[in-house]
Amino acid sequence: NAGVMQNPRHLVRRRGQEARLRCSPMKGHSHVYWYRQLPEEGLKFMVYLQKENIIDESGMPKERFSAEFPKEGPSILRIQQVVRGDSAAYFCASSGEFEAFFGQGTRLTVV
Amino acid sequence: KQEVTQIPAALSVPEGENLVLNCSFTDSAIYNLQWFRQDPGKGLTSLLLIQSSQREQTSGRLNASLDKSSGRSTLYIAASQPGDSATYLCAVPSQGGSEKLVFGKGTKLTVNP
Repeated sequence: NAGVMQNPRHLVRRRGQEARLRCSPMKGHSHVYWYRQLPEEGLKFMVYLQKENIIDESGMPKERFSAEFPKEGPSILRIQQVVRGDSAAYFCASSGEFEAFFGQGTRLTVV
Repeated sequence: KQEVTQIPAALSVPEGENLVLNCSFTDSAIYNLQWFRQDPGKGLTSLLLIQSSQREQTSGRLNASLDKSSGRSTLYIAASQPGDSATYLCAVPSQGGSEKLVFGKGTKLTVNP
């Protein structure tokens, strides 16, 4: 039973490019959560999705960031026109009975 | 607004010591509390989940307690080993039964051989 799968593990983008981060939840889980961990900061909630539905995007920056979880395939966190401040570790989680399970994260570096 | 504080921010101990990590939260109306471990450059590993109806949970050398009324949890690590070196994170739901978590900044633990 594979855990939460994220890819890529590391992503380098030049300023102005787009970044796409993918997440597949644990088998049997239909919810995903995206969190961001900035250097020297704690993890911050970004968005909560179910299949084909955004439940809570209260932590998502209003511009350049979007997320989706289609009926088929992984959840995608998309960052358009990346800036250096977007450099961070992005984690995806899924939950069963209350307990949250996290992926290994994608480390985005904007150069 | 839920806020989580972890003390100390960093801790260095010799191998074999018993130690306690502290977590406090501002809104005591939580359904559960979860402790995680994060190794450098890695993801989060769930260590213990305590439901609000429980006072403590144990897994091997780890014991976590929860006092909702005072807004505190402690993670006790017995007979620490160098392999325990990592950052330990505490997380609670943002409000009530919400599934989105609020994290502390963590305690970075170093266990010296």
